[in-house]
Amino acid sequence: DTAVSQTPKYLVTQMGNDKSIKCEQNLGHDTMYWYKQDSKKFLKIMFSYNNKELIINETVPNRFSPKSPDKAHLNLHINSLELGDSAVYFCASSQVLNNEQFFGPGTRLTVL
Amino acid sequence: SQQGEEDPQALSIQEGENATMNCSYKTSINNLQWYRQNSGRGLVHLILIRSNEREKHSGRLRVTLDTSKKSSSLLITASRAADTASYFCATDAGGSYIPTFGRGTSLIVHP
Repeated sequence: DTAVSQTPKYLVTQMGNDKSIKCEQNLGHDTMYWYKQDSKKFLKIMFSYNNKELIINETVPNRFSPKSPDKAHLNLHINSLELGDSAVYFCASSQVLNNEQFFGPGTRLTVL
Repeated sequence: SQQGEEDPQALSIQEGENATMNCSYKTSINNLQWYRQNSGRGLVHLILIRSNEREKHSGRLRVTLDTSKKSSSLLITASRAADTASYFCATDAGGSYIPTFGRGTSLIVHP
């Protein structure tokens, strides 16, 4: 069974559209994260939730809105997509904040 | 600028050789972690070393931490072609518990 899963794996869309990426973990972890990895492999944290509550919210445009319906899910909704949003987005989870993290396979977003 | 910086950016070696990667950081930390990322995949956790530890081993991996120099090294002994990947260090910037990654070291092991 996949520990941390993300859907979709690839997402190609036009500028201005709204899209969502879903993440689920079956590890029973309390903390989940969203990261953005750019073309130079720089991995930057965007958000972190602990038990469905937002605990980290880095400098991210308001167009990005995370939603955690329960402890096992953390979805990312992006409004009015821009060219600069093109990247690979990774979901991750850990038992406690900043302990060993388990990463999903990533979602490659391409904005045309 | 990010908390952790890996060095070198790229490393190319022959199978059987040892590979050493370094990570430097700016502010105090609670722990430092090393991850591996194979091309097109998510990151995989390798080792976590706490600020009061100096060295940890896991199989062919050895991690050292020097808090006085604010640096860590990852040594992979007897490298294999399957070790080809990018290696990242992650720290919690300034003890804030916010995980911060560097840009990674790209390791290529030639068979």
